[in-house]
Amino acid sequence: QVWLVESGGGLVKPGGSLRLSCAASGFTFTDHYMSWIRQAPGKGLEWISYISSSGRYTYYAESVKGRFTISRDNAKNSLYLQMNSLTAEDTAVYYCARDGDGDHLDSWGQGSLVTVSS
Amino acid sequence: DVVMTQSPLSLPVTLGQPASISCRSNQSLVYSDGNAYLNWFQQRPGQSPRRLIYKVSNRDSGVPDRFSGSGSGTDFTLKISRVEAEDVGMYYCMQGTHWPPFTFGPGTKVDIK
Repeated sequence: QVWLVESGGGLVKPGGSLRLSCAASGFTFTDHYMSWIRQAPGKGLEWISYISSSGRYTYYAESVKGRFTISRDNAKNSLYLQMNSLTAEDTAVYYCARDGDGDHLDSWGQGSLVTVSS
Repeated sequence: DVVMTQSPLSLPVTLGQPASISCRSNQSLVYSDGNAYLNWFQQRPGQSPRRLIYKVSNRDSGVPDRFSGSGSGTDFTLKISRVEAEDVGMYYCMQGTHWPPFTFGPGTKVDIK
């Protein structure tokens, strides 16, 4: 069974930084592209970043480009999201999700809440 | 970026009755391989999203067969043949053909009348 468990969320001040982690198990992590998607309180889903299986290729939404960095450690079966220069608009639940074989976002974690407030 | 729209945004339904949600994109979602990368997700209250349908009409493992997806090009539909209480929640369509970015529809709230 696929397990994705996010951690690292919390309260951070505007302008601050935070690093989210996503621990993967139950599948061959190195075979799958991975994404981060977020959901602001009471709002819809917003895809924010994507990384290839090797980690060589990364993609970002315009809303986070230049501030967020996606990475992965395949030896640790882990996905990361480094978030810098945070603003109140980044307050959201952040989900990691896995791409399937030839399709997208087939499995999601439970999410990690990030609150940006002074 | 591809813009996804959904209708209705709110859908009160009667238990045991059918329900239908429409999703439209502002450009064709057919990829060069012939597939349309259109997914449907369910998000029950307080839970993370769960994929129901991928590539327009393929049900994910464990998804009840009362859920079905159809459509082509720019127009897609999610149907629930007989709504059950556990189907209450938000439903989102998402395109994965023209990325980045992947884009989601605004969501449709399904609740019981």
